[in-house]
Amino acid sequence: DSGVTQTPKHLITATGQRVTLRCSPRSGDLSVYWYQQSLDQGLQFLIQYYNGEERAKGNILERFSAQQFPDLHSELNLSSLELGDSALYFCASSPSGRYYEQYFGPGTRLTVT
Amino acid sequence: GQQVMQIPQYQHVQEGEDFTTYCNSSTTLSNIQWYKQRPGGHPVFLIQLVKSGEVKKQKRLTFQFGEAKKNSSLHITATQTTDVGTYFCAGLGNSGAGSYQLTFGKGTKLSVIP
Repeated sequence: DSGVTQTPKHLITATGQRVTLRCSPRSGDLSVYWYQQSLDQGLQFLIQYYNGEERAKGNILERFSAQQFPDLHSELNLSSLELGDSALYFCASSPSGRYYEQYFGPGTRLTVT
Repeated sequence: GQQVMQIPQYQHVQEGEDFTTYCNSSTTLSNIQWYKQRPGGHPVFLIQLVKSGEVKKQKRLTFQFGEAKKNSSLHITATQTTDVGTYFCAGLGNSGAGSYQLTFGKGTKLSVIP
């Protein structure tokens, strides 16, 4: 157990819909990262937040957005969903400091039908 | 931007054989990290290497960081079925203005034949 929690575990929705994925980082971690992992694919970095502010952006589509709240939990919003958005979405958190090792949550499996 | 290449993409070994995965960065790294993802699981942090030429061992796993801090390798001696999974390297690089970004390789998926 990494200490990072993600809800829901599974999500099935239809094309065109909008969903929200939630992540709570490990206690004390200020950074939250979101990744997308498609079947047998690597980890595609989407976005990073640090203490409520966006810190870095990766290959995040305009249909996707995220935020980090004052209590440090984060939400990833996916809208106008397409079949190709079906994937595992991981959240990770990282302690402050120099080395940035990341601790991943169990992931949310999104299926778009 | 920073790119991290990892080879091979897949590796099938007989139980008891050794296994090595290699990681190369397009830029000099501050550190290199390794993660393991078991089938159906999430990536789990294994180790990080910081110093040029550093070598670290965890039981049957040996991690190396190149002298130029641009490449790394993970070697597993005498693989076991419990080693099955995907091994990712991740390079921490300076993305400018004092901030750092971790870039993951695409991973090496290890299968172990009993």
